[in-house]
Amino acid sequence: GQNIDQPTEMTATEGAIVQINCTYQTSGFNGLFWYQQHAGEAPTFLSYNVLDGLEEKGRFSSFLSRSKGYSYLLLKELQMKDSASYLCAGTDSNYQLIWGAGTKLIIKP
Amino acid sequence: IAGITQAPTSQILAAGRRMTLRCTQDMRHNAMYWYRQDLGLGLRLIHYSNTAGTTGKGEVPDGYSVSRANTDDFPLTLASAVPSQTSVYFCASSDSPGGPFDEQFFGPGTRLTVL
Repeated sequence: GQNIDQPTEMTATEGAIVQINCTYQTSGFNGLFWYQQHAGEAPTFLSYNVLDGLEEKGRFSSFLSRSKGYSYLLLKELQMKDSASYLCAGTDSNYQLIWGAGTKLIIKP
Repeated sequence: IAGITQAPTSQILAAGRRMTLRCTQDMRHNAMYWYRQDLGLGLRLIHYSNTAGTTGKGEVPDGYSVSRANTDDFPLTLASAVPSQTSVYFCASSDSPGGPFDEQFFGPGTRLTVL
């Protein structure tokens, strides 16, 4: 079957670092996406990984291990505006996205 | 228009009624998608279109139909709405239907309540 698992909710402190994990099982893997979704808004693209390793984009980094079916999103120097849900999505053999339920990140002062 | 627009923003609908959700993009993207998002569940693909004139079924297509007469528009129709179709509906588009990189751009969503 196809499955994307990520924690339901996480809490972190402003200025700190948080890692959001995602494990996936898809019928044919063609890449792993991370999206951010603020409450009541549409998802917006954060990152894409297709090869093993770390992709860094400013305060956000995303890591992929294809052999382990595992990814994480790393957020550094957390700001209050980072409070949102973070969605992990893997591509299947038809290049359609299979989405996790999202991780709600709560940032406390 | 900039990006993707959806209409209406929200709607309350009586069960059994027919409803069309509209989606228009101005990015000349080839692929378009309809998702529904329910609390505690991930985005679920309803229907997709890889290019104008073609459509395909996603994970949860029952009770929904789509058409893709041109590049810009991708309406979603509920033929006879039922309460289980209460959800937030997102339309999305991408430049290519697959390949090594296929970032999807999302519309603002339509919040639909079926009573």
